[in-house]
Amino acid sequence: EDQVTQSPEALRLQEGESSSLNCSYTVSGLRGLFWYRQDPGKGPEFLFTLYSAGEEKEKERLKATLTKKESFLHITAPKPEDSATYLCAPPWGKLQFGAGTQVVVTP
Amino acid sequence: EAGVVQSPRYKIIEKKQPVAFWCNPISGHNTLYWYLQNLGQGPELLIRYENEEAVDDSQLPKDRFSAERLKGVDSTLKIQPAELGDSAVYLCASSLGWGGGPANTGELFFGEGSRLTVL
Repeated sequence: EDQVTQSPEALRLQEGESSSLNCSYTVSGLRGLFWYRQDPGKGPEFLFTLYSAGEEKEKERLKATLTKKESFLHITAPKPEDSATYLCAPPWGKLQFGAGTQVVVTP
Repeated sequence: EAGVVQSPRYKIIEKKQPVAFWCNPISGHNTLYWYLQNLGQGPELLIRYENEEAVDDSQLPKDRFSAERLKGVDSTLKIQPAELGDSAVYLCASSLGWGGGPANTGELFFGEGSRLTVL
C-alpha cells in the first residue's frame, strides 16, 4: 500500500538558513502533489499544486519541485513567520497526507 | 469570500456521549471532505462527498461514526458513542474538484477544525 513519507520530521533553522523538505511515495511514483502549510490550531493552508515531473512553483521564499519519485520544498532565507508544519499529499485517491515536517525558524 | 466554517471549535464530552460537528463549505464547492487529525500526524480522510453522494467512506468507522450532507451544501459528522480514542481534531474541507475552471488547481480549502476531547 502506498504511503506518503515526509522527512525530516522536524527542522530547526536560523533565520536566513536555507533548507529543503522532502515528500515521497513508498510504492508508486508521484503523479502530482499538493503542498500545504499548517499553523498551530489552524486548518492546512494551500501552497502549491504540482502536476508533473520537472514542474517547479514558487511563492515568496518557498519553491516546490517534483520528480517522478519525490518532491522537495525549498525554503530560501527563511524568516520566523515561515515557522509551521508543512504537509504534502497526492491530489488523487484518498488524498492521504504525510505526517508533515515541523519547521521552526529562530531569529 | 467566506471560507469553510466549522462548529463547534472545541468540544469536551464524557466517553459514551454523542457529539456532532457541523461544516459549511465555500459556496459553489461541490466536493466536501471530513478529515481526522491526531496530534503530530497529517490529516486522514474519513469521508468525501460529491454533492449529496458519499463517494468514498471506506475509512469512516461506521459502527459509531455517521455523516450526512443534505441538499449538497452543509454537512454534519456525528459520533455515537464517543470513545477515548476519538479525541482529535476533525477538519472539514471543500473544493471545486478538478476541471472546475481555468484557475482551479484542485486545491482543498480547510476550515479551522473542531477539537474533540473525550474524558
